[in-house]
Amino acid sequence: ETGVTQSPTHLIKTRGQQVTLRCSSQSGHNTVSWYQQALGQGPQFIFQYYREEENGRGNFPPRFSGLQFPNYSSELNVNALELDDSALYLCASSSNPPHREGYGYTFGSGTRLTVV
Amino acid sequence: DQQVKQNSPSLSVQEGRISILNCDYTNSMFDYFLWYKKYPAEGPTFLISISSIKDKNEDGRFTVFLNKSAKHLSLHIVPSQPGDSAVYFCAASNSGAGSYQLTFGKGTKLSVIP
Repeated sequence: ETGVTQSPTHLIKTRGQQVTLRCSSQSGHNTVSWYQQALGQGPQFIFQYYREEENGRGNFPPRFSGLQFPNYSSELNVNALELDDSALYLCASSSNPPHREGYGYTFGSGTRLTVV
Repeated sequence: DQQVKQNSPSLSVQEGRISILNCDYTNSMFDYFLWYKKYPAEGPTFLISISSIKDKNEDGRFTVFLNKSAKHLSLHIVPSQPGDSAVYFCAASNSGAGSYQLTFGKGTKLSVIP
């Protein structure tokens, strides 16, 4: 198993800018989910992609968008950055339907985004 | 509106003793519950889960108890070890919704003192 890789690990952006975060899924996984973890909070579900289509979305505005590619890698794009977007962004890959206990989610180490 | 609550931000336990981490939920549609462990600079790693058709699930030193009527679950770690020191997240899911998305609590930081 190759695990989940996220890039970059840290990023500083200015309010109003756009950002793209990247995730390489674990081999054999066909689903990717993105979570936002603000300081002192638990991870919050942004959206999930299955076979390149959005398959569920949390309470996030449309300026949060994503892509999943045929090789199951994924991008999270955030437009018009706001100060409150500063957070750790976690990517998790899994199989749909789940093959393992706990849904088999494998999380990456995250991208720490700071908006100034 | 927090649907999953972990009311203890931190917990300190002596090595060898039992650690009990608690979690409450409000959404009656949740039917699958998970515990994750997170070290600094790493992503959460899955520990143990329980379906709403059970009231207990064990895996080695880790046991999760579910009280559906009280909408409460707890994670027991026995015996606690210094390597267990981490942030523990409770998560819940509506397995019938199709996306298997997780709703997390804020986490409890466990410190196991040697």
